[in-house]
Amino acid sequence: QVQLVESGGGVVQPGRSLRLSCAASGLTFSSYGMHWVRQAPGKGLEWVAGIWYDGTNKYYGDSVKGRFTISRDNSKNTVYLQMNSLRAEDTAVFYCAATTVTTGTPYFDYWGQGTLVTVSS
Amino acid sequence: SYELTQPPSVSVSPGQTASITCSGDKLGDRYACWYQQKPGQSPVLVIYLDRKRPSGIPERFSGSNSGNTATLTISGTQAMDEADYYCQAWDSSTVVFGGGTKLTVL
Repeated sequence: QVQLVESGGGVVQPGRSLRLSCAASGLTFSSYGMHWVRQAPGKGLEWVAGIWYDGTNKYYGDSVKGRFTISRDNSKNTVYLQMNSLRAEDTAVFYCAATTVTTGTPYFDYWGQGTLVTVSS
Repeated sequence: SYELTQPPSVSVSPGQTASITCSGDKLGDRYACWYQQKPGQSPVLVIYLDRKRPSGIPERFSGSNSGNTATLTISGTQAMDEADYYCQAWDSSTVVFGGGTKLTVL
């Protein structure tokens, strides 16, 4: 069955960097667009970033634009989120999510279990 | 930026029909989807492309989208349906989520 496993979360000081990884299995990874969605404690879902199946296009939410970078390695079935200049308000569970949609409205068929990022001094 | 608005909470009695709305400017001109999230769990897709159900989602879940409002309807609501529900759309290369609705079955 399909599995998305996030890793790389933890406690980090404000202004520092962190890289999240999401390893996929059970699906043809190179056919799926991949996204990161986060959820602050007790809050709703917030889309963070997305990348096309082939890595040619990347999209970012306004709150992370210029600070976060999404990338993927189809040879390793893995998507990454490089997070720089972290702020307290970035504290959240970060989920990776997969979509088969290549044009138009993506919907996320598969989600990982999430990894917690805590930004605190 | 595009916004989707959901009621914070909806209550329903077991066996009755629950309707959760999602409002956005001309939302009916684009596709909407819905996710269910139970405490401590990851979201699960329950409706996509306005009204389609993924494999494994019970038939009691249905969706519609017209004008400025998308609606998730749960017929014959069961206790296991108690959860947070989020709508989602796409605008200007951005994924947009609604604020979420807590469905209480009592």
